[in-house]
Amino acid sequence: ETGVTQTPRHLVMGMTNKKSLKCEQHLGHNAMYWYKQSAKKPLELMFVYSLEERVENNSVPSRFSPECPNSSHLFLHLHTLQPEDSALYLCASSQESFTWAETSRGSQETQYFGPGTRLLVL
Amino acid sequence: AQKITQTQPGMFVQEKEAVTLDCTYDTSDQSYGLFWYKQPSSGEMIFLIYQGSYDEQNATEGRYSLNFQKARKSANLVISASQLGDSAMYFCAMRGEDSSYKLIFGSGTRLLVRP
Repeated sequence: ETGVTQTPRHLVMGMTNKKSLKCEQHLGHNAMYWYKQSAKKPLELMFVYSLEERVENNSVPSRFSPECPNSSHLFLHLHTLQPEDSALYLCASSQESFTWAETSRGSQETQYFGPGTRLLVL
Repeated sequence: AQKITQTQPGMFVQEKEAVTLDCTYDTSDQSYGLFWYKQPSSGEMIFLIYQGSYDEQNATEGRYSLNFQKARKSANLVISASQLGDSAMYFCAMRGEDSSYKLIFGSGTRLLVRP
């Protein structure tokens, strides 16, 4: 198994269901991300975990709940979603530098993405 | 605020020919990174190439090269010898010098390679 994997690849759920998306990275990275990609909208960053701590939460509704139990796994728990939440959910990982000297040039940390989960909320 | 602009919503290219996908960016940061990703219909976002703002030479990765013009704030992707498998959405993205981890994406260009 290589790179970043996501399961399930496709998910159909009703508005009252509870489901979870899973992401696993096999790259030894220390940061993981959840993105949402809706039709005709730019990619939106939802959550960032660095060293297993959440460092960014971009005003995401509470019906989305992330979990990062370790540096290799990231979950997105879904409950009482709305039809407008239907989208492609992408997970990514990167290796972040934490020294100032590296961080000042640190924009080079490449994010590697998984294949995504196509979610349809009925 | 940082911004990425891709002005070509769709493009056609003949197989085996070269194609240039445009990307302009706006930032006040001195240090930043520019990325190109390919997204086939399957959905996966595939990293293609990276250019750092302090890199003096244009980045190249196989058939991909990045035409970096810092003064014009442009970072165009050049694909040489197009193949049918190159048909996909292509996204330009930028990351600034702070530690917010945020990757700013453009709206993308859909490339269709004709046989």
